[in-house]
Amino acid sequence: EAEVAQSPRYKITEKSQAVAFWCDPISGHATLYWYRQILGQGPELLVQFQDESVVDDSQLPKDRFSAERLKGVDSTLKIQPAELGDSAMYLCASSLRNTGRRAFFGQGTRLTVV
Amino acid sequence: AQRVTQPEKLLSVFKGAPVELKCNYSYSGSPELFWYVQYSRQRLQLLLRHISRESIKGFTADLNKGETSFHLKKPFAQEEDSAMYYCALSINQAGTALIFGKGTTLSVSS
Repeated sequence: EAEVAQSPRYKITEKSQAVAFWCDPISGHATLYWYRQILGQGPELLVQFQDESVVDDSQLPKDRFSAERLKGVDSTLKIQPAELGDSAMYLCASSLRNTGRRAFFGQGTRLTVV
Repeated sequence: AQRVTQPEKLLSVFKGAPVELKCNYSYSGSPELFWYVQYSRQRLQLLLRHISRESIKGFTADLNKGETSFHLKKPFAQEEDSAMYYCALSINQAGTALIFGKGTTLSVSS
């Protein structure tokens, strides 16, 4: 079964450094999401793409976070500069267009900012 | 504001006992509700959704709009049901973003 791929699985970075995460959605999935999950909480949406266009980035801290999906396939989420409070699991998910909301999740990138 | 509440952080039951994981939502429109599950060392995956009215792995969930609830139930818990369960709400018309609850850890022991 096809899966959403994310890399790296784990990342430790010093505060004020830049960090980037990569996501490759399931082939053919037009919708891609980045979620952040803080320990003990449920995932919270950061940004949603439909093909290469941003549909919702209202919860993305745009002063330090950026996301792109240039060719409407894979995506990169960047944080610059990283802060201690950014330590979390970053989840990527994808879904077919108009599939009744079924999203397939990647295994996530665990970010630790020291 | 739209919100999903899962009041229990941890639910511990014995094998064979009934299970009910509670979920309440806040949304004035027509919601779509889901249950996602994350087994140990596995990725988050869809368990079931209310529009399908399906039973997956013996679990069912009924949307009660009057009580704004979508509780997950199973009559006889199994040890392999031990996992983290998240209730999620979809309200986005143009897209499919989900609003998750904080999750409930289900622990089934023998």
